[in-house]
Amino acid sequence: EEQLVESGGGLVKPGGSLRLSCAASGFTFIDAWMTWVRQAPGKGLEWLGRIKSKSDGETPDYAAPARGRFTISRDDSKNTLYLHMSSLKTDDTAVYYCSTEPAKLWGQGTLVTVSP
Amino acid sequence: DIQMTQSPSSLSASVGDRVTITCQASRDIDNYLNWYQQKPGKAPKLLIYDASNLETGVPSRFSGSGSGTDFTFTISSLQPEDIATYYCQQYKDPYNDFGGGTKVEIK
Repeated sequence: EEQLVESGGGLVKPGGSLRLSCAASGFTFIDAWMTWVRQAPGKGLEWLGRIKSKSDGETPDYAAPARGRFTISRDDSKNTLYLHMSSLKTDDTAVYYCSTEPAKLWGQGTLVTVSP
Repeated sequence: DIQMTQSPSSLSASVGDRVTITCQASRDIDNYLNWYQQKPGKAPKLLIYDASNLETGVPSRFSGSGSGTDFTFTISSLQPEDIATYYCQQYKDPYNDFGGGTKVEIK
């Protein structure tokens, strides 16, 4: 069964850092382009960025809210996608989802709460 | 970045009604448009890709049309299980922005 499972969310203080993980199974992760999307409480979906497969250069693209503070990486040996977040703000409070691209497969999401 | 304007932001309709949601891109995106359904507390689910192609397993009452800058998503006969928020998303631009969402409720 194809599956994505996020982990690493939690409570962090403003200015802090956090690393989210997304464990993939049931499909060929090494060939997949992967994406992070977030959703603040009661708000819409916000695309954060993607990382291409290694064969396509493994280059990331970032939306404006993520540029300079967030880093997307992957470890194909572990079938895992990462989102490193730094200088966190209260506005970063959201459920963070990973997905494949095309977005046919999504994880269940992990909640990040940034609060003093 | 490409801005996606989705309307209405919410609607209320009766079971069996035809429901239409529109999405307008700030510039030409050809047919590089997805439509998603999201139920409370759940991850989004892809319903339509390439503006008009139905994802495998999605009921045929869902459909999409359009190209360029103007797109339409239709539920031909609203069912109780269709209560959700629907989002469009472009993938012409490297930054795959979403529309603001349309919350669909039963009247």
